[in-house]
Amino acid sequence: AQKITQTQPGMFVQEKEAVTLDCTYDTSDPSYGLFWYKQPSSGEMIFLIYQGSYDQQNATEGRYSLNFQKARKSANLVISASQLGDSAMYFCAMREGRTGGFKTIFGAGTRLFVKA
Amino acid sequence: DAGVIQSPRHEVTEMGQEVTLRCKPISGHDYLFWYRQTMMRGLELLIYFNNNVPIDDSGMPEDRFSAKMPNASFSTLKIQPSEPRDSAVYFCASSLSGQPQHFGDGTRLSIL
Repeated sequence: AQKITQTQPGMFVQEKEAVTLDCTYDTSDPSYGLFWYKQPSSGEMIFLIYQGSYDQQNATEGRYSLNFQKARKSANLVISASQLGDSAMYFCAMREGRTGGFKTIFGAGTRLFVKA
Repeated sequence: DAGVIQSPRHEVTEMGQEVTLRCKPISGHDYLFWYRQTMMRGLELLIYFNNNVPIDDSGMPEDRFSAKMPNASFSTLKIQPSEPRDSAVYFCASSLSGQPQHFGDGTRLSIL
């Protein structure tokens, strides 16, 4: 069975500093994708970054990067130069490949608080 | 480009009433997902479709819930009869095969 674990219910970071949000996963499917979403207090789900299981390099999107360690089954999100607007809930998600029918499950989320 | 459109944004109704949530996916997307989000259970996948065909409905909580996708541009999630424990935010999302899901703004459902 697939599983996504986010062990940090809440995190604090000082504005302009970097922060790492942890995510570990478990799957037996060799083909899968890992995603991070941001949910601000307004409630919408915003896609941030994607990493494919066969991608050789870690994904980056602006201030977001994904620290993908396949052997450890971890896909941590790194936010550099935190901004007050980064305060939100962050969800890690995994989608298995065709054998898993592209089903996606989400972790419990980490609430990030950015301090001025 | 228009994103995933959900309606209504908010719904308040009395227990026992039928509730219908609507979703218009992004044009061209072949996957559509329905999620429910609550404080207690987080974000749960209820059902998803591929090319209008339901693929996995194992997340649908019980027979009171049903979902349809009559065409590529429209899907409904129906609860009949509704109960207070169905109160949640319901999200619809769509994607291309293997690509990130794009979420609608959600429907905040309150059953009194």
